[in-house]
Amino acid sequence: KAGVTQTPRYLIKTRGQQVTLSCSPISGHRSVSWYQQTPGQGLQFLFEYFSETQRNKGNFPGRFSGRQFSNSRSEMNVSTLELGDSALYLCASSFVIAGADTQYFGPGTRLTVL
Amino acid sequence: AQTVTQSQPEMSVQEAETVTLSCTYDTSESDYYLFWYKQPPSRQMILVIRQEAYKQQNATENRFSVNFQKAAKSFSLKISDSQLGDAAMYFCAYRSATGTSYGKLTFGQGTILTVHP
Repeated sequence: KAGVTQTPRYLIKTRGQQVTLSCSPISGHRSVSWYQQTPGQGLQFLFEYFSETQRNKGNFPGRFSGRQFSNSRSEMNVSTLELGDSALYLCASSFVIAGADTQYFGPGTRLTVL
Repeated sequence: AQTVTQSQPEMSVQEAETVTLSCTYDTSESDYYLFWYKQPPSRQMILVIRQEAYKQQNATENRFSVNFQKAAKSFSLKISDSQLGDAAMYFCAYRSATGTSYGKLTFGQGTILTVHP
């Protein structure tokens, strides 16, 4: 079974631009979570989607948004990019995120904001 | 809010030796899950082991085992017979089993493990 895939793997943008990152979960998985990883803040939860609905959201500004499609693929969007948005963005998928359900991570998208 | 603390920023071990990584957490909940993830230089986060809080028995996966002390809110990872491929950043993570904390893993700061040949 193929793992979680994320595209693109690397991205360079300039301040003020917007960016869209994509995540394809493991086949059959319906929950997708997004995390931001930076050297200073570590790993922080952005949001989680299940069956096209956002069920949980972390403490990030409204510039960070996401959505999930009917095939469970998910996208996250960051508008009006700031230098501090430079980070590794990880998505993780799981079957239903209930019980001891395990989240499997993708390889990440490295975003650099200049 | 839950917090996870890994007090060892770096650890090192000789190949074939045993090393223990520490993790403590703070929560008022009684039902939750704990995980250890490994992140090698490739940055792909890989699940190492998980523990359900309601289970008293410590989880074991081959060379990896945990010492789960619920009352002390401690969750350490023991790696036996360390291999060069174990070198990575290790993250301890917490997930609530209740409420609306869907998908939210709370991570510690990580411990960089170096394995010397």
